Amino acid sequence: DGGITQSPKYLFRKEGQNVTLSCEQNLNHDAMYWYRQDPGQGLRLIYYSQIVNDFQKGDIAEGYSVSREKKESFPLTVTSAQKNPTAFYLCASRNRGRANTGELFFGEGSRLTVL
Amino acid sequence: KNQVEQSPQSLIILEGKNCTLQCNYTVSPFSNLRWYKQDTGRGPVSLTIMTFSENTKSNGRYTATLDADTKQSSLHITASQLSDSASYICVVSGGGYNKLIFGAGTRLAVHP
Repeated sequence: DGGITQSPKYLFRKEGQNVTLSCEQNLNHDAMYWYRQDPGQGLRLIYYSQIVNDFQKGDIAEGYSVSREKKESFPLTVTSAQKNPTAFYLCASRNRGRANTGELFFGEGSRLTVL
Repeated sequence: KNQVEQSPQSLIILEGKNCTLQCNYTVSPFSNLRWYKQDTGRGPVSLTIMTFSENTKSNGRYTATLDADTKQSSLHITASQLSDSASYICVVSGGGYNKLIFGAGTRLAVHP
């Protein structure tokens, strides 16, 4: 079945460590996104990519990095520079041709906890 | 400033009852508005999309309304079920470049 797969589901990190969250999609979507979700707040955009080998900073990119070497994959690295990384991270994708409808397809999320 | 505000923040209802969730937005220009359902610990799933010309749209027991003049939308849930317990997120597309602006969500708990 087509969809978006995020891994790991749960991740624990010690302060000062970098961690990478995986996001893979087989929907043949051009655009992929990373959002951060904190209690009581709306989803906030970290990074997005419209095509392979190109990505743009979102509203809260500091302390994060991404790559888009393949259409199917958009991994997110949470670096030690991110001061408050404990959150629920959501990866999403959508077809560029349907951009005006705003429909995003989300993965199941990754919960990162800093010890 | 482009904003989406949802109310109430949380809601508890008994199984079988109806409820209505509200979404007010100040996004301009407006493209469309979408309601998502997010089960705890899962990713959001789209319920319905409303464009400028649409007033009402139904998806099973979910009915969304849009008043583009007052910039308000509502999501009405009929004959609630335990499986309706989730967060409901209002997302408005617009504000230039079809940016997506997310509301903080309403957390609904349906009790037996």
